[in-house]
Amino acid sequence: EVQLVESGGGLVKPGGSLRLSCAASGFNFSNAWMTWVRQAPGKGLEWVGRIKSKTDGGTTDYAAPVKNRFTISRDDSKNTLYLQMNSLKPEDTAVYYCTTAVVVTGMDVWGKGTTVTVSS
Amino acid sequence: SYELTQPPSVSVSPGQTARITCSGDALPKKYAYWYQQKSGQAPVLVIYEDSKRPSGIPERFSGSSSGTMATLTISGAQVEDEADFYCYSTDSSGMGVFGSGTKVTVL
Repeated sequence: EVQLVESGGGLVKPGGSLRLSCAASGFNFSNAWMTWVRQAPGKGLEWVGRIKSKTDGGTTDYAAPVKNRFTISRDDSKNTLYLQMNSLKPEDTAVYYCTTAVVVTGMDVWGKGTTVTVSS
Repeated sequence: SYELTQPPSVSVSPGQTARITCSGDALPKKYAYWYQQKSGQAPVLVIYEDSKRPSGIPERFSGSSSGTMATLTISGAQVEDEADFYCYSTDSSGMGVFGSGTKVTVL
């Protein structure tokens, strides 16, 4: 079964750090471009960033609000995607989803999300 | 920054047709994708590459794109189609962007 499972969410103070993980199974993770998407409470979906497969260069891209604070990485030996979040702000409070394209070109597989709350 | 514009809400009677638009300057050159998100759930891809439907998505969902506007059509809307719908595309540099979302009410 194709599956993505996020973990690592929680409550953190402003200025703090947190690392999210996304464990993948059921598909060829090393060939997949992986994306993080977030959703603040009561708000819409927001693209956070993406990492390409190593065969496609392994490069990363980030949305402007998180650039220079968040870092996406991957460990293909563990089939795991990471999101390192530093200098967290209250506006980073959201459910964070990892997602990828497995069957079709669109992001057709999503995890259930992990909740990050940034508050003092 | 690049934006995709959607109407905040669309209402439709059961069995009727709902159309949701998504406007963006790069859409003539970039594919549009559509996601359905029901309350408390992760998004589900319903249309990819402007007009293709993934396996398992009902035929009443269709997509089209012309110029700077993409459209998601729900033909014969069902009560279970009530959800938030988001268009998605990329800008000229390949960065992803979602539309602001459209709440579809079937009543």
